[in-house]
Amino acid sequence: GENVEQHPSTLSVQEGDSAVIKCTYSDSASNYFPWYKQELGKRPQLIIDIRSNVGEKKDQRIAVTLNKTAKHFSLHITETQPEDSAVYFCAALEYGNKLVFGAGTILRVKS
Amino acid sequence: GAVVSQHPSWVICKSGTSVKIECRSLDFQATTMFWYRQFPKQSLMLMATSNEGSKATYEQGVEKDKFLINHASLTLSTLTVTSAHPEDSSFYICSASAGEKLFFGSGTQLSVL
Repeated sequence: GENVEQHPSTLSVQEGDSAVIKCTYSDSASNYFPWYKQELGKRPQLIIDIRSNVGEKKDQRIAVTLNKTAKHFSLHITETQPEDSAVYFCAALEYGNKLVFGAGTILRVKS
Repeated sequence: GAVVSQHPSWVICKSGTSVKIECRSLDFQATTMFWYRQFPKQSLMLMATSNEGSKATYEQGVEKDKFLINHASLTLSTLTVTSAHPEDSSFYICSASAGEKLFFGSGTQLSVL
């Protein structure tokens, strides 16, 4: 089955700086990669996603890049703000429409 | 995005009792729903896939007799934790597929005393 690894486990950045979180996956058949943001005690919220036929996708300060050959994808947050502080999970969709999640990254934006 | 409702948001129960958690897709039909368990500071671990009108598919290591799943309609799936014990205390969260996108319920914090 699919295996997703996510790095780093924690990330601290200064307000206004950029943050990058990276994930790798194992199953070359996976073709859909969402990113979720989860605040403490709340549900994960889908913030951006990308399909395998696209290399990059942007939505305001958030972007995701995908390298299908290398089987890795990354989340980029620019001009970080304190409200970006949360846990971020990457995921890959495997057979059966099941999402396999990375271990998560705790992002702290210091003001 | 699509809305998934989950109830209750938190529950405290005595050891040995059963607890039922409901997951509803409010504005779309979901033939498939998923149940996850999340321990503090950890990722979401898939417990089972709930299929409308058929038996749930459980992940390896998840006891199907302990975690009963019923998906009786296209908008409702329930998870019943039977004979709960303190080690079952966790954050349980459901999700439903709208196309390939997955939307989550608000989660249920279960505390077993």
